[in-house]
Amino acid sequence: EVQLVESGGGLVKPGGSLRLSCAASGFTFSSYSMNWVRQAPGKGLEWVSSISSSSSYIYYADSVKGRFTISRDNAKNSLYLQMNSLRAEDTAVYYCARDQDYGDTPPGYWGQGTLVTVSS
Amino acid sequence: AIRMTQSPSSLSASTGDRVTITCRASQGISSYLAWYQQKPGKAPKLLIYAASTLQSGVPSRFSGSGSGTDFTLTISCLQSEDFATYYCQQYYSYPQTFGQGTKVEIK
Repeated sequence: EVQLVESGGGLVKPGGSLRLSCAASGFTFSSYSMNWVRQAPGKGLEWVSSISSSSSYIYYADSVKGRFTISRDNAKNSLYLQMNSLRAEDTAVYYCARDQDYGDTPPGYWGQGTLVTVSS
Repeated sequence: AIRMTQSPSSLSASTGDRVTITCRASQGISSYLAWYQQKPGKAPKLLIYAASTLQSGVPSRFSGSGSGTDFTLTISCLQSEDFATYYCQQYYSYPQTFGQGTKVEIK
């Protein structure tokens, strides 16, 4: 069974930093592209970043480019999101998600999410 | 970025109704379209990908159609557990983008 467990969320002041982690199990982590998707309170879904299986390809939403860094450690079955220069508008639940399958497929398996609150 | 526009933003329906939600892309995305269901406080659940392929374990009352710019999600016979918010998403190009969501409420 695919399991994704996010951690690292919390309350941080504007301009601060936070590192989210996602522990994966139940599948061969090194074979799949991974994603971060967020949802501000009461709002819709927003794709944040994606990373290919070997980290060769990385993509970011314009809203986080230059501030957030996605990475993965295939030996540890873990995905990360380093978030710097945080703003109030980054407040959201952050979901880790695995692509549904190999190749061009959407996020098909999601974690339960971790809440990030940016406030003074 | 490709803009995804869903309609309606919300709808009221009764158990047993046939429900249709549409999603329009601002440019052609072939069949790189997914549909998700989300219930309050829960992670999204993938229902359909490649515009019309049902994710494993999803009931057959859900179906998807379309290609290019216009897509449809249909629930053939609404069940109580289907009251939720539905999102479309294009994964044709980065940045991936979602529609604004359609909330399906009980009439």
